[in-house]
Amino acid sequence: QVQLQESGPGLVKPSETLSLTCTVSGGSITNYYWTWIRQPPGKGLEWIGHFHYTGTTNYDPSLMSRLSMSIDTSRSQFSLSLGSVTAADTAIYYCARGPITTTGYIFDSWGQGTLVTVSS
Amino acid sequence: DIQMTQSPPSLSASVGDRVTITCRASQNIDNYLNWYQQKPGKAPKVLIFGSSSLQSGVPPRFSGSGSGTDFTLSIISLQPEDFATYYCQQSYTTPYSFGQGTKLEIK
Repeated sequence: QVQLQESGPGLVKPSETLSLTCTVSGGSITNYYWTWIRQPPGKGLEWIGHFHYTGTTNYDPSLMSRLSMSIDTSRSQFSLSLGSVTAADTAIYYCARGPITTTGYIFDSWGQGTLVTVSS
Repeated sequence: DIQMTQSPPSLSASVGDRVTITCRASQNIDNYLNWYQQKPGKAPKVLIFGSSSLQSGVPPRFSGSGSGTDFTLSIISLQPEDFATYYCQQSYTTPYSFGQGTKLEIK
């Protein structure tokens, strides 16, 4: 069964870049889309964007100018980079597998989430 | 962008009850509607995809219905482990969007 684990700094200063990595184990990182979703403390879920190992990306338009995603198939990792962060970017960040196109474009496996706080 | 609106925001019920949560999309999304359950401190878990298909391993007391703009998630015979927050999510088009959540609490 595939497992995902987020890693990265828990504290980022305003205007700097938030960088997170998701390590995939127990399954292949190829042939799937990989997604980042965030959840501000006490609030709902926000889709950030997804990435395919072939290089196809799809980002939330509101974040697109600050966002990039990449993948390292040799390490079974994919990454998120969000620049010029503000307090509004404080959230639990989840990586997830999907959308799975054969089952309603769901996110079928998730990491445990990592809290990133933007503060000086 | 498609807006998803859930109701009610919170709901109190007892073990053994039947509950229904509704989700409305701001435009037609056919049956591209998924439901997730999230427990405190945990990642969401998919329950229903394609409006009415049960994800593998999910108990059959969960069911979904709807098409177009109006959808429902029903849970019959509530169990203690069902008390959680539930989110709908449209997968019709990007940016994918979630409802604001419905918190199901024990009465």
